[in-house]
Amino acid sequence: SSEVTQDPAVSVALGQTVRITCQGDSLRNYFASWYQQKPGQAPILVIYGQNNRPSGISDRFSGSTSRNTASLTITGAQAEDEADYYCSSRDSSGNHWVFGGGTKLTVL
Amino acid sequence: QITLRESGPTLVKPTQTLTLTCTFSGFSLTTSGVGVGWIRQPPGKALEWLALIYWDDDKRYSPSLKSRLTITKDASKNQVVLTMTNMDPVDTATYYCARTPYGLDRFDPWGQGTQVTVSS
Repeated sequence: SSEVTQDPAVSVALGQTVRITCQGDSLRNYFASWYQQKPGQAPILVIYGQNNRPSGISDRFSGSTSRNTASLTITGAQAEDEADYYCSSRDSSGNHWVFGGGTKLTVL
Repeated sequence: QITLRESGPTLVKPTQTLTLTCTFSGFSLTTSGVGVGWIRQPPGKALEWLALIYWDDDKRYSPSLKSRLTITKDASKNQVVLTMTNMDPVDTATYYCARTPYGLDRFDPWGQGTQVTVSS
């Protein structure tokens, strides 16, 4: 079982803002990282640390953490943002990593 | 440019041992702070972290799979090898390797993945 949990599915209207969340006690001590995965493709990192974007990732993507919940926010969602999104963090021991169950984002 | 590529058998029989190789370029596992991890994804399911090895040979394993996993590195060949014993059909998945910096919790970039089917 995962130590971080995500909602299975979220939808957003084109151009609107959507927040995808990840909950877990370890998030009180460790940052989450967020990955976008499109069908048939490997995941790519979109957010890590406090709120860092790798080079080439749109500034539509931002991250935040409050207490035991990490959030990925997409501002002005585009059709190409439709994908599965996974959060990852360390587990409660701090020595291992876990992934959430993933959130399927649909852009309407 | 950093790239990683996974290789190994596409089909293994139940009870057999799986050996996967991650060959990378653009970085070195002799450099302080560098690590490579393995993650898998069963068809239609979520990502699952498996193991990780750092430049200093520090190794970490998923607690639920620790007894079946071994991760090693050959820095001279820019390779990381993952072995998983006693394979079962539930281990059918795409297996990915990814670079991870020590102390900075992220996996980036990822290889394209290699699909492994466990079937008799």
